[in-house]
Amino acid sequence: KQEVTQIPAALSVPEGENLVLNCSFTDSAIYNLQWFRQDPGKGLTSLLLIQSSQREQTSGRLNASLDKSSGRSTLYIAASQPGDSATYLCAVKPTNAGGTSYGKLTFGQGTILTVHP
Amino acid sequence: EPEVTQTPSHQVTQMGQEVILRCVPISNHLYFYWYRQILGQKVEFLVSFYNNEISEKSEIFDDQFSVERPDGSNFTLKIRSTKLEDSAMYFCASIPVEGSVIAGELFFGEGSRLTVL
Repeated sequence: KQEVTQIPAALSVPEGENLVLNCSFTDSAIYNLQWFRQDPGKGLTSLLLIQSSQREQTSGRLNASLDKSSGRSTLYIAASQPGDSATYLCAVKPTNAGGTSYGKLTFGQGTILTVHP
Repeated sequence: EPEVTQTPSHQVTQMGQEVILRCVPISNHLYFYWYRQILGQKVEFLVSFYNNEISEKSEIFDDQFSVERPDGSNFTLKIRSTKLEDSAMYFCASIPVEGSVIAGELFFGEGSRLTVL
């Protein structure tokens, strides 16, 4: 059974700092990995999607990397801002997606990020 | 930008009552999902739905739960007789058709918070 773990559970940094959030998964047979942002009491906003054949994806100040063989992904946030404060979730989709597992994501518990001015 | 919409945003109900949560997926999406998040816990997969039938469900999705797409646009989750432990945020999600559906990223709605008293 796939298990997804995120470290650290919480992180508090001053504005402007570069930071790294970590995600690890136990079963490397994944099809893709998706990073989400969740604001308190709100829905999930997709940040980046990395296919298993890719090593990294970038969007603005965000860069996500994937090392499938070691079961790890990192989300790098450059020049953090108070508006980045949120919970960041990673989720993996299994490889065996033959028509019945599309979208069945396994989520980590999230990293709560606080960026203070 | 197209989005998944969910209603109600918050519902309070008495234990034993029936609840229906509604979702309007993005129009050209084919696969629909319900996930839930109990306060402080991970986001969990409940059920996936394709071509008007359930394609996969988790052990959480017991006989008290049902899904349907009554009119070609709405996608509903019904809980027949709510229990205290059903209190959670329920998220609807859908996945686009982009060549291979497997490659698509999930788009989530804002969620419906269910409180069972």
